[in-house]
Amino acid sequence: QKEVEQDPGPLSVPEGAIVSLNCTYSNSAFQYFMWYRQYSRKGPELLMYTYSSGNKEDGRFTAQVDKSSKYISLFIRDSQPSDSATYLCAMSAGEGGSEKLVFGKGTKLTVNP
Amino acid sequence: GAVVSQHPSRVICKSGTSVKIECRSLDFQATTMFWYRQFPKQSLMLMATSNEGSKATYEQGVEKDKFLINHASLTLSTLTVTSAHPEDSSFYICSARVAGIRPTSDSGANVLTFGAGSRLTVL
Repeated sequence: QKEVEQDPGPLSVPEGAIVSLNCTYSNSAFQYFMWYRQYSRKGPELLMYTYSSGNKEDGRFTAQVDKSSKYISLFIRDSQPSDSATYLCAMSAGEGGSEKLVFGKGTKLTVNP
Repeated sequence: GAVVSQHPSRVICKSGTSVKIECRSLDFQATTMFWYRQFPKQSLMLMATSNEGSKATYEQGVEKDKFLINHASLTLSTLTVTSAHPEDSSFYICSARVAGIRPTSDSGANVLTFGAGSRLTVL
């Protein structure tokens, strides 16, 4: 079993839709959870960062972590065409979350106008 | 905010040649840089952790003689792919950690910034 599983999609939604992206993981030591957005041929850009379990909201984005189920989610409200990108979940057991991030494969999202 | 510049963004080379990729932190000092490799439709795979002034720590399965990493200053790390072959063709991405800032539960992510990546094609 891979440490981090993420459905690669692709996922195509109409503009304005609510998007749900998910990852599961197997390593119970993970404490730091991140979502990155990666546009084509570009490096990842941090979207959301969550420590341990719980929810975190930032504008149209909400990140949820359920450590008991080893499941994390990213919700995008009122999706826009500019949200079209690949979304990568990442997690770490290390202090501060910056060491040895383990990434999911990424889910490719297309938001159609 | 912290900016990491990676150069070149794209390089094409002949098989057997060596290619150097630079990763620079533009407005902050980076004690630690990380080098990742990404294949199409695959996740980022950590290759090595580069620490300023010391030897890089390579992940299991990564050939240290193949992928030479040098972190000679707090603002520059280089990855050299030696004797490149077509199977080395990939997207290489660096990330840098800001020196002197101890991550907290809320700010940890602020200290890790990614470069734009370098696409290597070996003919």
